Amino acid sequence: QQQVKQSPQSLIVQKGGIPIINCAYENTAFDYFPWYQQFPGKGPALLIAIRPDVSEKKEGRFTISFNKSAKQFSLHIMDSQPGDSATYFCAANGYSSASKIIFGSGTRLSIRP
Amino acid sequence: DVKVTQSSRYLVKRTGEKVFLECVQDMDHENMFWYRQDPGLGLRLIYFSYDVKMKEKGDIPEGYSVSREKKERFSLILESASTNQTSMYLCASSMTTNEKLFFGSGTQLSVL
Repeated sequence: QQQVKQSPQSLIVQKGGIPIINCAYENTAFDYFPWYQQFPGKGPALLIAIRPDVSEKKEGRFTISFNKSAKQFSLHIMDSQPGDSATYFCAANGYSSASKIIFGSGTRLSIRP
Repeated sequence: DVKVTQSSRYLVKRTGEKVFLECVQDMDHENMFWYRQDPGLGLRLIYFSYDVKMKEKGDIPEGYSVSREKKERFSLILESASTNQTSMYLCASSMTTNEKLFFGSGTQLSVL
């Protein structure tokens, strides 16, 4: 019940395409769903996050879509660029403790020029 | 911006050695974390600390211990390094629970 399942494991998209990364969770107590972006040789950095009171959040070219009833959320990258090539992690946690943040297994995204 | 600094980018140690990984944050954050990153397994929490001298086990604490003597510094200790502890280790901090994590750049540890 504590898992966050992320897919796909890797993804290759042409420049300008819209990569979509999906995550699913089981624990209905989760109420914070962040996405982290990690470039080679760097630690992950928060990209965008959503709380379950909204179904969509946009920040620039990045959009989270959230389906509370299906317990799924996804990251869309509009007009993808080679500089978006990175590993993306979804995560989920409940309000009570940051120690309970659960990360997905990661998606290695490559944007071809 | 918050800076989380890990003392070493790469480390090579021998089996059985005691290994210290150091992490310092400069924004007075209450919470500090140690994660391990392995391909296909995501980020797994080893230990975290919510206050000086306080610590809690994460999902994979076996073979590790931690120390937090000062608010800004959180150390991960491998008491007797083993080859299955070869991994990328990431330190993180956050101001409060349920908020943004700030990560260091990681330490790639190889145990031979």
